[in-house]
Amino acid sequence: AQTIHQWPVAEIKAVGSPLSLGCTIKGKSSPNLYWYWQATGGTLQQLFYSITVGQVESVVQLNLSASRPKDDQFILSTEKLLLSHSGFYLCAWSPDREQYFGPGTRLTVL
Amino acid sequence: QQQVRQSPQSLTVWEGGTTVLTCSYEDSTFNYFPWYQQFPGEGPALLISILSVSDKKEDGRFTTFFNKREKKLSLHIIDSQPGDSATYFCAASDTNAYKVIFGKGTHLHVLP
Repeated sequence: AQTIHQWPVAEIKAVGSPLSLGCTIKGKSSPNLYWYWQATGGTLQQLFYSITVGQVESVVQLNLSASRPKDDQFILSTEKLLLSHSGFYLCAWSPDREQYFGPGTRLTVL
Repeated sequence: QQQVRQSPQSLTVWEGGTTVLTCSYEDSTFNYFPWYQQFPGEGPALLISILSVSDKKEDGRFTTFFNKREKKLSLHIIDSQPGDSATYFCAASDTNAYKVIFGKGTHLHVLP
């Protein structure tokens, strides 16, 4: 069975500080991977997707970047956090069309 | 324009009743429509999905209907249970399904 793990579970960071969020998929080789952002009580906004190692496509610009250093790993990062970056970050994977979400990382920027 | 409109924003039903959520879209290239269920503090879970070549798909108490001509879809939950209380999102994507557009969600409350 496939499992998806996100780290950390939650972060409290200062405006202007750097950020790195991670996602790992186990049990599935070469999955499509995705990053989403969700404001509290809001909808899901797709940020990035990757269909292969080393290749990442940006869907929306939010002063964030993503990388896929390994087949099973997806990293979301920024060098300078903004207040607007607060929210719930979700990683998802898909074998085909269906996307399966991880447990998420709650980010609070103060 | 790539947009998915979802209604209602919030809905309260009694236990045992039928819940109906609706979505509409504009982009004719969309052909895959999943519905997700999200509980507070958790990631969304795929509930049911439908391709544009079908007009109905059932999975237990959950049924999704698709009307290609009107560009509308709906989710019906029969015998609604308090445990169904959650936020439901419809979504849409094209053939590749790399880019997915989500609706704004419906907050469902099922009262015992």
